[in-house]
Amino acid sequence: KQEVTQIPAALSVPEGENLVLNCSFTDSAIYNLQWFRQDPGKGLTSLLLIQSSQREQTSGRLNASLDKSSGRSTLYIAASQPGDSATYLCAVRHVGPNDYKLSFGAGTTVTVRA
Amino acid sequence: DGGITQSPKYLFRKEGQNVTLSCEQNLNHDAMYWYRQDPGQGLRLIYYSQIVNDFQKGDIAEGYSVSREKKESFPLTVTSAQKNPTAFYLCASSLFLGGSRSTEAFFGQGTRLTVV
Repeated sequence: KQEVTQIPAALSVPEGENLVLNCSFTDSAIYNLQWFRQDPGKGLTSLLLIQSSQREQTSGRLNASLDKSSGRSTLYIAASQPGDSATYLCAVRHVGPNDYKLSFGAGTTVTVRA
Repeated sequence: DGGITQSPKYLFRKEGQNVTLSCEQNLNHDAMYWYRQDPGQGLRLIYYSQIVNDFQKGDIAEGYSVSREKKESFPLTVTSAQKNPTAFYLCASSLFLGGSRSTEAFFGQGTRLTVV
C-alpha cells in the first residue's frame, strides 16, 4: 500500500526566506506526482504536476523536484511572501490496478510572517 | 470559465437523514472523484467514475452512494448508514484516468457537511 508522508507538518518562516517542503512515498512505481495548495476552508489548487520521467518542474517562484528511485519530492518556493501562507499537499498516482487513485500526504501548513 | 462547481458550500444533516452533494464540471473530463478530508489527515477516496454510467468504490465507500448519468455531473449522497459524516468533501476530475499519460487532477471548492 502506498504511504505518502510530508514532513514537517507545520512551518513558519519570515517573509523573503526560501521554503523547502518535503514529500516521501513508499512505492516508487508511480506515474506522476502532483503538488497542491489549499487555503483554509477551500478546495485544492494544482501547483505542479511532475511525470515519472521528469526530474523537475518549474512555475514562477515554484520548483518541484522528483527522485523516484528514492521516493522523494521537494517543493521549493523562492522568496516567500505572506500570500504563500497555506497548506501544501502532495499526491502520487501509482502504477498498478489502482492507478485511478491519488494517494495524498497529510500536508505541510506554512505560515509566512510579514 | 472552466472548472468544477460544488454545492452547497455548507450543509447540515440531521440524524437519520440522507443528503446529496452536487458536483458539476465543464472541463470535458472523463474521470470524476469524491474525496473526504478530515483534520490532520490526507484525503481519502470515497468513489470514482471513469465514464458515464460506471463508478467504483474507493477506500471508504460505506454509507455513501453516487450516480453518473451525465459526463458533467457526479452527485454524492451521504446516507444515514454513514455514522460519522461530519467532514469536508471534495470533488475532483481529470482528463485521462490512468497510465503514463495521466493528467492533472482538478478540484472543486468543497462542501462542509455537519451533523446537527
